[in-house]
This record gives sequence, structure tokens and C-alpha cells, in this order.
Amino acid sequence: ILNVEQSPQSLHVQEGDSTNFTCSFPSSNFYALHWYRWETAKSPEALFVMTLNGDEKKKGRISATLNTKEGYSYLYIKGSQPEDSATYLCALSGSARQLTFGSGTQLTVLP
Amino acid sequence: NAGVTQTPKFQVLKTGQSMTLQCAQDMNHEYMSWYRQDPGMGLRLIHYSVGAGITDQGEVPNGYNVSRSTTEDFPLRLLSAAPSQTSVYFCASTQRVGTEAFFGQGTRLTVV
Repeated sequence: ILNVEQSPQSLHVQEGDSTNFTCSFPSSNFYALHWYRWETAKSPEALFVMTLNGDEKKKGRISATLNTKEGYSYLYIKGSQPEDSATYLCALSGSARQLTFGSGTQLTVLP
Repeated sequence: NAGVTQTPKFQVLKTGQSMTLQCAQDMNHEYMSWYRQDPGMGLRLIHYSVGAGITDQGEVPNGYNVSRSTTEDFPLRLLSAAPSQTSVYFCASTQRVGTEAFFGQGTRLTVV
């Protein structure tokens, strides 16, 4: 079982603030790193899937980076809005192909 | 395009009862999986399948059974429900390793 750790567990920010979260994983046995956004009462939806060391991906105000050598990924949100409030999940797929999820970072953006 | 369809959305069972959670996908994905979500624990893998006729255990398989007779369907069976199986269950499918997972709507199961 791969160990995927996310920090912080929860975060409150003011509207307009920029913020970032961390996902840590074992650098060996890596195939791909996923980020999902999970709103209350909905299903998780994919934000990014990254496979290469140094990958950077962007979708609107949200971006992510990947460092496979040291085993971490950052998710950034620029100018947070109340609609960004959600739980952000990181997941690792290793050689066994199944996804192992972290416990998530719960973001609350206060208006 | 329906994506991943999961039923039912809600279910209450008595201890010892059995039931099947249904999951179907219409994207011709090879890979399907079942997760349970408990407070503070994120999504934990119950069982997964890499193709029709092939299934394997995940992190928390005890008390659950799966089969994959077709590419589209991946039902999860609770053999004898226990209160510890009270949880929210998600089915997901992936085209192949390294691509995004698509999730069903979730099933909130309560075992009393």
C-alpha cells in the first residue's frame, strides 16, 4: 500500500487570497500523480494527471507542479473564490495500477 | 454520454442482509474500481478490475465481493452487512493507467 500524504488537512482563506497545498508520496514505484476536486454531495472530478518530473499543468486559476525525484506535488490556487471551496484530493498510481488517495485538503474560501 | 452510473444513491440495510451496488460505464474503459469513503480517511480501494474476467483486492476487501463479466459492469456485493460497512461508496473507471478516473455519483449506505 503506497503512502500518500496531503497537507494541510484543512484550510480557510479569504476571497482573493492565493493558496497552495502539498501532496507527498514515495518517489519509487511512481507512474502518475492525479489531483481531483471534490465538492460536497458530488463526485470527485479530475483536475490534472501528471507523469513527468518537472511537469507543470494549469487550468484557469489552478495549477500544479510535480517533483518525482523528491516525491511531492504542489497545487496552487490564485485569487481564491468561494466557488473554489472543496476538498482537493491527490492520488498516486504506481506499478500495480490502482490509485492510492491521500486524505485530502479541505479548502474553505470565505467571502 | 452517461459516463459512470452507480445505483442506488441511498440504502439502509439491517445487519446480516446482503445487497449489490451496481456500477456501469459506457466509455469502454478497461479499468474499474470500488472505493469507500469514511470521515478523515479519504478514499480507500476495496476491489478493482483491469479488464473483463479479471479482479483483484484492494486495501479493504473483507466483506465484499466483485465480478467483471463484461467491460461495462462492475457490481459490488456485500455478503453479510455489518455496521462497520456504513460508508459512502464510489465506483470509478479509467481508460488506462495514467489517465483520469471518472467517478459515479456515490452510494450512501447505512447498516443498522
